[in-house]
Amino acid sequence: KQEVTQIPAALSVPEGENLVLNCSFTDSAIYNLQWFRQDPGKGLTSLLLIQSSQREQTSGRLNASLDKSSGRSTLYIAASQPGDSATYLCAVMGSWGKLQFGAGTQVVVTP
Amino acid sequence: DGGITQSPKYLFRKEGQNVTLSCEQNLNHDAMYWYRQDPGQGLRLIYYSQIVNDFQKGDIAEGYSVSREKKESFPLTVTSAQKNPTAFYLCASSSADSGGNQETQYFGPGTRLLVL
Repeated sequence: KQEVTQIPAALSVPEGENLVLNCSFTDSAIYNLQWFRQDPGKGLTSLLLIQSSQREQTSGRLNASLDKSSGRSTLYIAASQPGDSATYLCAVMGSWGKLQFGAGTQVVVTP
Repeated sequence: DGGITQSPKYLFRKEGQNVTLSCEQNLNHDAMYWYRQDPGQGLRLIYYSQIVNDFQKGDIAEGYSVSREKKESFPLTVTSAQKNPTAFYLCASSSADSGGNQETQYFGPGTRLLVL
């Protein structure tokens, strides 16, 4: 059974620092890996999707890497801003579109 | 405005009562999903549907039921058999790429269910 782990569970950084969020998964037979953002009491917003054949994906200040063989993905957020404060969720897609989620990393960026 | 809507935003359930959560999408997606989120935990899949009139159980289907009579609608009923229904419920939808692989899922704003 696929297990997805996110470490750390919570992270607090001063504005301007780079954020590094980690995600690990136990079964490397995945179709893709996705990173989502969730604001308190809200739904999820897709940030990046990395296909299993890709090594990384970039969007603005966000960069996500994928190492399938070691079962790891890292989300980098450059030059963090207070508006980046949210919970970040990693999810891997297995058979037929089913996503397995990690518990998330709660990020606070202090001004 | 394309997207997914969920209603109501808050829902209160009395003991022994069935309640239904609404999910509607106008993205023309074939696949729809229901997830449950508990504090400090990731999302867990309740039910999913790949096509109209067909749906499959997810990891925690006990105490829940769904229907998929229309492409744009996927309501979730929380039955009295679900003993711990208090949670945040999220609906999502997705489409398949040309290779048949499911693309990114789009989520609704969620419904918070509370037990009186």
